[in-house]
Amino acid sequence: DQQVKQNSPSLSVQEGRISILNCDYTNSMFDYFLWYKKYPAEGPTFLISISSIKDKNEDGRFTVFLNKSAKHLSLHIVPSQPGDSAVYFCAASPFFTGANSKLTFGKGITLSVRP
Amino acid sequence: EAGVTQFPSHSVIEKGQTVTLRCDPISGHDNLYWYRRVMGKEIKFLLHFVKESKQDESGMPNNRFLAERTGGTYSTLKVQPAELEDSGVYFCASSQGASGGDEQFFGPGTRLTVL
Repeated sequence: DQQVKQNSPSLSVQEGRISILNCDYTNSMFDYFLWYKKYPAEGPTFLISISSIKDKNEDGRFTVFLNKSAKHLSLHIVPSQPGDSAVYFCAASPFFTGANSKLTFGKGITLSVRP
Repeated sequence: EAGVTQFPSHSVIEKGQTVTLRCDPISGHDNLYWYRRVMGKEIKFLLHFVKESKQDESGMPNNRFLAERTGGTYSTLKVQPAELEDSGVYFCASSQGASGGDEQFFGPGTRLTVL
């Protein structure tokens, strides 16, 4: 029973355009959401997070939007760059911070940014 | 500052054999996590240490898996005897704890192949 779902396995966008990566969750107890980025042969690297008291968090080219009523979040990357090509994992935690609790991950989305 | 390190990077063993994976967290991090990703699927939580104590081991698949963190520093994950379905990439992560940031830092993973 997957509690965090990333239904699109891959996304391809042109350099300079916006990338929108979607994530849905089913567990109402999730209170904190994170995006991790993973390159081949490396571990996941934290990208950006959002707590349930917010609906938007922005960090440079990366913005995460949370729609709690729809149990949906999305990661926007603008403008997209070839170096953004990687697997992106959506993750969730039942606590306000993901540092002290197990994370529940989705299957990941492979983003390819075409030059 | 050194990141999370894992050893070995790859391990190929036969069904029925024993394998021990090691994780060295970032110095000073009280929290240590083990996760596993089976090919094409989500990254799944295995267990969580706070210092040397097991905080949450709800993700351990069965009693063939034994994790230890003696002295609250490095951790080992032993699989005995290994089965075919144990193949996957095992990630270790660490975080500072309540007084620190909200990020779990991941190691590069150990790719385990059971033949």
